[in-house]
Amino acid sequence: AQKVTQAQTEISVVEKEDVTLDCVYETRDTTYYLFWYKQPPSGELVFLIRRNSFDEQNEISGRYSWNFQKSTSSFNFTITASQVVDSAVYFCALSEGGGGFKTIFGAGTRLFVKA
Amino acid sequence: EAGVAQSPRYKIIEKRQSVAFWCNPISGHATLYWYQQILGQGPKLLIQFQNNGVVDDSQLPKDRFSAERLKGVDSTLKIQPAKLEDSAVYLCASSFGSAPNEKLFFGSGTQLSVL
Repeated sequence: AQKVTQAQTEISVVEKEDVTLDCVYETRDTTYYLFWYKQPPSGELVFLIRRNSFDEQNEISGRYSWNFQKSTSSFNFTITASQVVDSAVYFCALSEGGGGFKTIFGAGTRLFVKA
Repeated sequence: EAGVAQSPRYKIIEKRQSVAFWCNPISGHATLYWYQQILGQGPKLLIQFQNNGVVDDSQLPKDRFSAERLKGVDSTLKIQPAKLEDSAVYLCASSFGSAPNEKLFFGSGTQLSVL
């Protein structure tokens, strides 16, 4: 069965601090996909990144970076030099490659960035 | 490009009443999803359509929830009768295809309060 755990319920940082959001997943499939979505106060989830299980290269996009480690079943998300606009709820999600897939989401981590 | 449209934005009803939500996906997106997001939790898939056919409705409480996507475009989700525990945000999402690596595009959701 697939499962996504985001142990951090809320994180509060001061602007310009770096922050890492943790995501641990469980799956029996060898082919799967991991995602991060951002949910700002407006409520609309916005796609940030997608990773497939065969690509363990870390990725950097501006102030955002992602660390995928199959050995620990983790897909962590780091925001460097956080800004107030980064305040949102961030969801990690997993989709298995087998038939009848569905994307399941973790419980989310609420990030507060204070000025 | 227009995003996923949902209405209404907010709805307040009393228990045992009925309610309906509407969703219009991004033009050309074949797959449409309805998610339920209870406060403090991640989105949970209720039903997934591929064009006008149901792909997955395993977590839809069929005794009270129903959904349709008659012409393979917009969709309606109905609850009848509503219970207190149905209070949640109902999110509609769409994707171009139905592969497990598809990124989802979300609407702003309908916040339902059942009193």
